[in-house]
Amino acid sequence: QVQLQESGPGLVKPSETLSLSCTVSGGSVNGAPYYWSWIRQPPGKGLEWIGNIYYSGSTKYNPSLKSRVSISIDTSKNQFSLSLTSVTAADTALYFCARDRPNWGKDYWGQGTLVTVSS
Amino acid sequence: EIVLTQSPATLSLSPGERATLSCRASQSVSGYLAWYQQKPGQAPRLLIYDASNRATGIPTRFSGSGSGTDFTLTISSLEPEDFALYYCQQRSNWPLTFGGGTKVEIK
Repeated sequence: QVQLQESGPGLVKPSETLSLSCTVSGGSVNGAPYYWSWIRQPPGKGLEWIGNIYYSGSTKYNPSLKSRVSISIDTSKNQFSLSLTSVTAADTALYFCARDRPNWGKDYWGQGTLVTVSS
Repeated sequence: EIVLTQSPATLSLSPGERATLSCRASQSVSGYLAWYQQKPGQAPRLLIYDASNRATGIPTRFSGSGSGTDFTLTISSLEPEDFALYYCQQRSNWPLTFGGGTKVEIK
């Protein structure tokens, strides 16, 4: 059974960088065919796709965040990471990592981690 | 980007009733639409992919239909555990986008 677990600070100051990791167990991030995604959900609101990464390092980002976001992968640790720079209160959200199965969708998700941007 | 509009925002029904949820795309997404269920405090769960295919372990009371710009998720007979939020998501064009959600609540 594949499991994903997000980790990182729950509180980030405005203008600083939000950094989260997602550790995968029961499966490997190193190899086809899966992509590895980040999605966020502001409190009481809907879902926003942030971006994804393939094991090769190829990435896709949401243009609304593209100038501030970076996703990386560490196959030796079986994890992938999210970096979001210059955060504001609008970046306060529940951040999920997920496995993206090609031609299906996001079939495994982490439980989510709440990140609050506040001084 | 493709905008997905879900309706209604809230659906008030009783257990055993049929639920019909709609998702409309601002341009054609062909059949590349998925449906997710989210319960409070939980991550979304994949229900349907490519408009009409049930994901692994999803009960047969869940069905999806549609193509192009109009899609429907049907729950044939609501079980108590089906009262939740439902989101559609397209994978036809980057960026991937989600609809705003439909809440199915107990009447």
